[in-house]
Amino acid sequence: NAGVMQNPRHLVRRRGQEARLRCSPMKGHSHVYWYRQLPEEGLKFMVYLQKENIIDESGMPKERFSAEFPKEGPSILRIQQVVRGDSAAYFCASSPARSGWLNYGYTFGSGTRLTVV
Amino acid sequence: GENVEQHPSTLSVQEGDSAVIKCTYSDSASNYFPWYKQELGKGPQLIIDIRSNVGEKKDQRIAVTLNKTAKHFSLHITETQPEDSAVYFCAASSTGANSKLTFGKGITLSVRP
Repeated sequence: NAGVMQNPRHLVRRRGQEARLRCSPMKGHSHVYWYRQLPEEGLKFMVYLQKENIIDESGMPKERFSAEFPKEGPSILRIQQVVRGDSAAYFCASSPARSGWLNYGYTFGSGTRLTVV
Repeated sequence: GENVEQHPSTLSVQEGDSAVIKCTYSDSASNYFPWYKQELGKGPQLIIDIRSNVGEKKDQRIAVTLNKTAKHFSLHITETQPEDSAVYFCAASSTGANSKLTFGKGITLSVRP
């Protein structure tokens, strides 16, 4: 049973290019979350998606960033016209559907380390 | 929204000693509190969690305690080993249909051999 798969592990982009980060959740998980990690700043929430729906994008920058989780295929985090400040580790996590009042811990992928040069 | 604070930011202990990491949260509606361990170059891994209907949970050398009145929870690691060296994150969430985990900034634990 594969865990959360993220690719690529490392991505280098020049300023102005587009970055596409992919995340395949664990089998049976229908909730996907994207977090950004900067040194000394911990994990910052970006967006929460379910299949074909964006549930909460309150952590996404208003411009250049978008996310999707289509009916088929992985979740994609897209950053257009990247700038040096976008350099960070981007983590995807997934969880199963909630049942009643229960919450479930997230399972994280290994992350994509984006470097903008 | 929820705000989770974690302190101290770094902690160094001698192998075999105990380590305690504390977190506070702001939203009284939060009722789920997981702890994650992140090793260098890897993603965070869930190590233990606690829900608001219990005050303490233990799993071998690690335990978590929750004080709902004071809105703080702590991770306790006993008999620390060098492989416990990592960054530890606490988090909190409520049970709202669209709730999400809010993380603290993390603490770097170093266990000296």
